[in-house]
Amino acid sequence: GAVVSQHPSWVICKSGTSVKIECRSLDFQATTMFWYRQFPKQSLMLMATSNEGSKATYEQGVEKDKFLINHASLTLSTLTVTSAHPEDSSFYICSAPRGAGTDTQYFGPGTRLTVL
Amino acid sequence: DAKTTQPTSMDCAEGRAANLPCNHSTISGNEYVYWYRQIHSQGPQYIIHGLKNNETNEMASLIITEDRKSSTLILPHATLRDTAVYYCIVHNQGGKLIFGQGTELSVKP
Repeated sequence: GAVVSQHPSWVICKSGTSVKIECRSLDFQATTMFWYRQFPKQSLMLMATSNEGSKATYEQGVEKDKFLINHASLTLSTLTVTSAHPEDSSFYICSAPRGAGTDTQYFGPGTRLTVL
Repeated sequence: DAKTTQPTSMDCAEGRAANLPCNHSTISGNEYVYWYRQIHSQGPQYIIHGLKNNETNEMASLIITEDRKSSTLILPHATLRDTAVYYCIVHNQGGKLIFGQGTELSVKP
């Protein structure tokens, strides 16, 4: 079946540093990927749509200069949290639809970010 | 995308059927009903989806009312591993997945 991976699975960093999270589709190509953030006891919140070969589309209220998204290939999207602060600590999850014309999303296992 | 309403939580005895309801009274004709679940500290997992007809796969069955204003996800023989938050989402093909609060299902021995 379709598999989406994320790396790293968890990361701890100091306040002010930048952290890069990778999202890969392992057995299919994805021209579009999605990035979500989830705080404890809350639902997933869509942050942005990552588009291969073009700029990402950010949801309202998400700072594009803070959350840099690069969709460099048909199997890789990266999310960089720049100048991270403790309030950025969260569970970051990516997803990708498999196949044209389908909206069945395959989700990565998530990345737990803790900013000290 | 249409908004959905789900109970906050439900309990189910192990081995029994779990019936999870979802109301989507404002669903439009070209919107599908999707179900995903999220086990604690993992990414969501696709379960099933449908447009008008009832659907069944190896994981679950989806029953959609004739007027499409509500649906029920059925796990025929719930196990402890089915304990998770279940999300009912309606949206257009090509649209974004917008998650609501979902139903926290607890399967108890």
